[in-house]
Amino acid sequence: EVQLLESGGGLVQPGGSLRLSCAASGFTFSSYAMNWVRQAPGKGLQWVSAIGGSGGSTYYADSMKGRFTISRDNSKNTLYLQMNSLRVDDTAVYYCAKSLRGGDGDSVDYWGQGTLVTVSS
Amino acid sequence: EIVLTQSPATLSLSPGERATLSCRASQSVSAYLAWYQQKPGQAPRLLIYDAFKRATGIPARFSGSGSGTDFTLTISSLEPEDLAVYYCQQRSDWPPVFGQGTKLEIK
Repeated sequence: EVQLLESGGGLVQPGGSLRLSCAASGFTFSSYAMNWVRQAPGKGLQWVSAIGGSGGSTYYADSMKGRFTISRDNSKNTLYLQMNSLRVDDTAVYYCAKSLRGGDGDSVDYWGQGTLVTVSS
Repeated sequence: EIVLTQSPATLSLSPGERATLSCRASQSVSAYLAWYQQKPGQAPRLLIYDAFKRATGIPARFSGSGSGTDFTLTISSLEPEDLAVYYCQQRSDWPPVFGQGTKLEIK
């Protein structure tokens, strides 16, 4: 059974940093691209970032470029999102999501339960 | 950046009725379109990928159609548990944006 378990969310002040983690199990982690998708309170879904299975390719939404860094440790089956220079409008539930067939830019078929990031003074 | 526009914003129907949800892309995305269902308080779930392929475990009452810029998600006979927000997402180009969602209410 595929499981994705996010952690690392919490309350942070504007300008601060946070690192999210996503522990994956139930599939061959290194064979699948992974994604972060977020959802602000009461709002729709916003794709944040993606990383290829080997970690060699990374992609970001424009508003996250230069502030967020996606990475993965295939030996630990774990996905990360380092978030720096956080802004109030980064407040959201952050979901970790697995690509359907492995490739970059594929649809996502499994989602974690999400971790809430609140940016506030 | 490709923009996906979903309509209607809200749809209110009775159990057993047919629901038709639309997603229009600002430029062609070929058949690289997916539909997701998000029930209240839950993570999204993949329903349809590549415009018409049902994901594993999705009931046959859900179907997708379309290509290019116009896509449709059809729920043939609504069940009470279909209450949710439905999102389309394109994967033709980066970033893989989502539509703004259609809220499906069950009368």
